[in-house]
Amino acid sequence: AIQLTQSPSSLSASVGDTVTITCRASRAISTALAWYQHKPGNAPNLLICDASSSESGVPSRFSGSGSGTDFTLTISSLQPEDFATYYCQQFNTYPPITFGQGTRLEIK
Amino acid sequence: QVYLVESGGGVVQPGGSLRLSCAASGFSFSNYGMNWVRQAPGKGLEWVTFIHYDGTNKYYADSVKGRFTITRDNSMNTLYLQMNSLRSEDTAVYYCAKGKRFLEWLPSYFDSWGQGTLVTVSS
Repeated sequence: AIQLTQSPSSLSASVGDTVTITCRASRAISTALAWYQHKPGNAPNLLICDASSSESGVPSRFSGSGSGTDFTLTISSLQPEDFATYYCQQFNTYPPITFGQGTRLEIK
Repeated sequence: QVYLVESGGGVVQPGGSLRLSCAASGFSFSNYGMNWVRQAPGKGLEWVTFIHYDGTNKYYADSVKGRFTITRDNSMNTLYLQMNSLRSEDTAVYYCAKGKRFLEWLPSYFDSWGQGTLVTVSS
């Protein structure tokens, strides 16, 4: 199974900062990668699919890039509502679908 | 607006069984593949199983293969997960998640999720 490794595992930042989260796949997955935001007690929310395509309604400060094995999620001008845990997820090589271990974004 | 509402969670002893349900509304349920994804306490997300839009094909994570069965009733817009031979490591919040793509043959992305239902396996 393809493994996804996110870095960092946790991150502290301030409102207005720009942050980047990295997701590395153990084998090339083309652009078959998504990013989700998950807040405690809430349903996860799909932000980005196909590595760089933003979902409808997702603020433009969220952007994704990458292909092959290396991917990034960038959040520019952090807002208070952005503090959450972020997961990458791949489906290129199936089964199984796999998620990264998560990156917890905390307010500094 | 898509709504997915899970139910059926609870406390069960190791070796026991439980059936989860997910009531769907706000979209054409019979045209989308559906999934169950879980999150163990303090852990990340884990995909569990997928069912094709018409129920003909099903896929499972190795961790649940042979113990869990996914089914759907398109006339009732409802997804199910029958969980047998439950283990302590199955303790998690179970989310019902809609596949993003129309008439998708295999699972891809999950564009709508329910709030989850907690399953606790403990003696």
